[in-house]
Amino acid sequence: DTEVTQTPKHLVMGMTNKKSLKCEQHMGHRAMYWYKQKAKKPPELMFVYSYEKLSINESVPSRFSPECPNSSLLNLHLHALQPEDSALYLCASSQGTGVNQPQHFGDGTRLSIL
Amino acid sequence: QQQVKQSPQSLIVQKGGISIINCAYENTAFDYFPWYQQFPGKGPALLIAIRPDVSEKKEGRFTISFNKSAKQFSLHIMDSQPGDSATYFCAASIRGTGKLIFGQGTTLQVKP
Repeated sequence: DTEVTQTPKHLVMGMTNKKSLKCEQHMGHRAMYWYKQKAKKPPELMFVYSYEKLSINESVPSRFSPECPNSSLLNLHLHALQPEDSALYLCASSQGTGVNQPQHFGDGTRLSIL
Repeated sequence: QQQVKQSPQSLIVQKGGISIINCAYENTAFDYFPWYQQFPGKGPALLIAIRPDVSEKKEGRFTISFNKSAKQFSLHIMDSQPGDSATYFCAASIRGTGKLIFGQGTTLQVKP
């Protein structure tokens, strides 16, 4: 079992729906991340939060909206997604963004856009 | 250049053999090099990691070799087991940002 918990595990939504992905960690980590992973490809960084503030946005379309309500929780709000957004969305956390800070991943949310 | 090049794309090894996966990078701002193991339907799990001031790190059957001057590093899996069959990703972290750049992955199959 991973120490980063993501819900839901699977999500199917239409292009006009609004949904949210949730990520939770209780390791006291102060940095949290969202990644997107397509089949047979490596994870690609989307967002980095450090001390609950957005520090990196990798030019992600505005239909993806991250939120960090507190140091343990990270959300990804989804609206008007496209079929090419179907992927595995991974959350990760680390103690910080400094040197030698290993990132620990959850098992992801498998998202399918109809 | 923020790429990490990984090879081979796929690897088949007999049980008990040595699996070797190689990675190369260009960006000197990388300061931390982890390896992740990913099983189908699961997230990447941290396997082992190394800093650029260390030439080798061993944890159980897994060893990272690091050549700073050549900007190359590799993962060796000794006594490979069928349970090691998974996708392996090398990665590199950009100093001070938390930004992790992954290699393209290697699918390892260990035959019984």
